[in-house]
Amino acid sequence: GAGVSQSPSNKVTEKGKDVELRCDPISGHTALYWYRQSLGQGLEFLIYFQGNSAPDKSGLPSDRFSAERTGGSVSTLTIQRTQQEDSAVYLCASSLGKGATEKLFFGSGTQLSVL
Amino acid sequence: GENVEQHPSTLSVQEGDSAVIKCTYSDSASNYFPWYKQELGKRPQLIIDIRSNVGEKKDQRIAVTLNKTAKHFSLHITETQPEDSAVYFCAANSLTGDNRLAFGKGNQVVVIP
Repeated sequence: GAGVSQSPSNKVTEKGKDVELRCDPISGHTALYWYRQSLGQGLEFLIYFQGNSAPDKSGLPSDRFSAERTGGSVSTLTIQRTQQEDSAVYLCASSLGKGATEKLFFGSGTQLSVL
Repeated sequence: GENVEQHPSTLSVQEGDSAVIKCTYSDSASNYFPWYKQELGKRPQLIIDIRSNVGEKKDQRIAVTLNKTAKHFSLHITETQPEDSAVYFCAANSLTGDNRLAFGKGNQVVVIP
């Protein structure tokens, strides 16, 4: 497709379960970002990939969160033992260049609801 | 790291009037300042950006001004239209190792017909 694709679009899970969110960036985009958007809040940075490498994982809110990217393309964000405070929209974005000075193309997000 | 704040959180304007949203940032080394628009239920999209080597940039009805000394930048929308109703996010780049764009919390702009 032409844009950033995220799946699933909606995910309802029970507290304590693990979830996996997927992001398929625009072909050829080397940079990939994960952001979290809670109701009425801004875009909270989670992690950034350049190729398959994540130079800094300090934005991840806890050790229950992890992310990986393979083949310089698809990325997955995994949340283990989900908590209610994890409920939010998880947005993925990709950009063509290397630095944080390029246009970000966002996916439509995954709405995560933890019951 | 970079900290970006936006004011006001909500702004209502009459159709045809101008809207101004201001952002402040903390890292004097930041050199890239984009604005993203998020309509209800849609993904954020870049509408305009400015780099630190210029003070103003204009694109039709929107403009962004940058004051590096005061560490603030503003979005100006003239002749507002109902389709301008959205949440607007400002951002600034962080030049530390994580290469992030730090976003503000967003401004809800409501254009009243």
